[in-house]
Amino acid sequence: GQQVMQIPQYQHVQEGEDFTTYCNSSTTLSNIQWYKQRPGGHPVFLIQLVKSGEVKKQKRLTFQFGEAKKNSSLHITATQTTDVGTYFCAAAGGWGANNLFFGTGTRLTVIP
Amino acid sequence: DADVTQTPRNRITKTGKRIMLECSQTKGHDRMYWYRQDPGLGLRLIYYSFDVKDINKGEISDGYSVSRQAQAKFSLSLESAIPNQTALYFCATRQQGDTDTQYFGPGTRLTVL
Repeated sequence: GQQVMQIPQYQHVQEGEDFTTYCNSSTTLSNIQWYKQRPGGHPVFLIQLVKSGEVKKQKRLTFQFGEAKKNSSLHITATQTTDVGTYFCAAAGGWGANNLFFGTGTRLTVIP
Repeated sequence: DADVTQTPRNRITKTGKRIMLECSQTKGHDRMYWYRQDPGLGLRLIYYSFDVKDINKGEISDGYSVSRQAQAKFSLSLESAIPNQTALYFCATRQQGDTDTQYFGPGTRLTVL
């Protein structure tokens, strides 16, 4: 099955600082998704990237898909305490057709 | 997602006991999934079902079984629970033909003593 590596595993930032998490794959991905899981909550879909070099923005969040479609990043500008949680990338091609393989996640802590 | 529910939300059981986790959805999706989440390991797929008659093993199916009683219901069973099955379990749904987006239930925290 597909495998994606996600770094860092943990990130602590002061409120107002920027944050970035990265996903990398050794193989070309058909698409990549990003999910957010709040503490004590469940993963919630944020966005899907499909095209090579694609960049999408959601307010302070910027998502990028690499030109080779082997890596992706999520960047948060000027973090807020509401950004706290674990961010997962997920790539299609996991066990069985069209299933997702999730990265290990990056847990973001925002210090007020 | 409130359209995907899981019961129980928390369960403590003893080694060797049989336990069933249930998932129901009102989204009308045909595909349903069971994942396990452990700290530092992300979400790992246990079983998935594309419809009532289609059940498939995922990455970590050993020690688990599932039943798709109806399109809206997908149950996960631990026939004889062991302590290393202590984890957070999530059910998810997806509609064929849609994006790959999955919609997760609130999770069941299972502790096996």
